[in-house]
Amino acid sequence: GAVVSQHPSWVICKSGTSVKIECRSLDFQATTMFWYRQFPKQSLMLMATSNEGSKATYEQGVEKDKFLINHASLTLSTLTVTSAHPEDSSFYICSARGGTSGRDTQYFGPGTRLTVL
Amino acid sequence: DAKTTQPPSMDCAEGRAANLPCNHSTISGNEYVYWYRQIHSQGPQYIIHGLKNNETNEMASLIITEDRKSSTLILPHATLRDTAVYYCIVRGSYTGNQFYFGTGTSLTVIP
Repeated sequence: GAVVSQHPSWVICKSGTSVKIECRSLDFQATTMFWYRQFPKQSLMLMATSNEGSKATYEQGVEKDKFLINHASLTLSTLTVTSAHPEDSSFYICSARGGTSGRDTQYFGPGTRLTVL
Repeated sequence: DAKTTQPPSMDCAEGRAANLPCNHSTISGNEYVYWYRQIHSQGPQYIIHGLKNNETNEMASLIITEDRKSSTLILPHATLRDTAVYYCIVRGSYTGNQFYFGTGTSLTVIP
């Protein structure tokens, strides 16, 4: 149980285009999902917290107009990188909060590698 | 911001126990200690978490000191597939549930 998927697993796009990444909780409902970014040889950096039916909360320094997050259902959150540039190339990972009260945790997706040419 | 400190790297012989330490001296009463690991180019994998009691599951054991300022993750019989970066994370139960990852410990299991 507690499986999270991401699609696509990798994407290559041209500079200036937009890319959408999907994050799905496959066997549980997640009112809260999270988006992270990871550059080579670095740790995961939290970008935003996504709550179903409400606006996402972005971490300091993350541009909300560039990284659009939609959490329209209890099993799906999407991250859209708008007008992508080479510096946006990174490994994007989502997680979904699941589990019973007091024992809940975050379950991570396999990640999406974005390369902007 | 990460509230934990871990050694950057460790080696462990295959078949031996791997003991990974974590310092979280500023932990507060309602904050849990979580352990995840990340194998290269994959999403982090949940290992174990606890509040103040020691915990054990099929993957590992978590030993939390009585003052809760540090903890140790124990992999009882390390295999080559346990080579990964291990992250210790402190998370409050009433603070939005965000995880702030530190730099982690890169564990290499040696044949």
